Amino acid sequence: DQQVKQNSPSLSVQEGRISILNCDYTNSMFDYFLWYKKYPAEGPTFLISISSIKDKNEDGRFTVFLNKSAKHLSLHIVPSQPGDSAVYFCAANAGGTSYGKLTFGQGTILTVHP
Amino acid sequence: DSGVTQTPKHLITATGQRVTLRCSPRSGDLSVYWYQQSLDQGLQFLIQYYNGEERAKGNILERFSAQQFPDLHSELNLSSLELGDSALYFCASSLDGYEKLFFGSGTQLSVL
Repeated sequence: DQQVKQNSPSLSVQEGRISILNCDYTNSMFDYFLWYKKYPAEGPTFLISISSIKDKNEDGRFTVFLNKSAKHLSLHIVPSQPGDSAVYFCAANAGGTSYGKLTFGQGTILTVHP
Repeated sequence: DSGVTQTPKHLITATGQRVTLRCSPRSGDLSVYWYQQSLDQGLQFLIQYYNGEERAKGNILERFSAQQFPDLHSELNLSSLELGDSALYFCASSLDGYEKLFFGSGTQLSVL
């Protein structure tokens, strides 16, 4: 039962252009969403998050959009840089006492070409 | 460097054996989490400890157990290992269980 899905296993983008990574979820109890970035041989690192009471959160080049009615979120990276090449995981949390009990998607490999 | 230390980085063992994975959380963090990443799956939550006590449990097999010690380090014990247990095991920590997680670099377990 895949409650968080990242349907694109990979994405290739030119440096300077926008990268859009997508994520869908099925569990309506999820109320907090996060994106993590992972480089090879390293653990995932937190990138940006959004609460279900918001529809947008921005942090520098990274913006996360949440569409609750569609149960969809996306991560926009503008402009994309070669150092952004990594695996990006979408994660969701049902809050309450389950903070940290994250449900992850399978990841999207982003490649940014110079 | 996340500040979370996992040892060993790699572990190769045989079916039926038992192994222990170790995790030292970031200084000051009270909560420790264990996640499993298999080839065909995303990261799967296994278990969470907060200040020595179990707080949340995911799809952790009965053959697996964990604990958090008074110095806050944690160990994940995997027994009667099967080929399907081969995976990357991540430990993460957070201050109090309500903040973002900081992940270690993982232990790659290979069961042959």
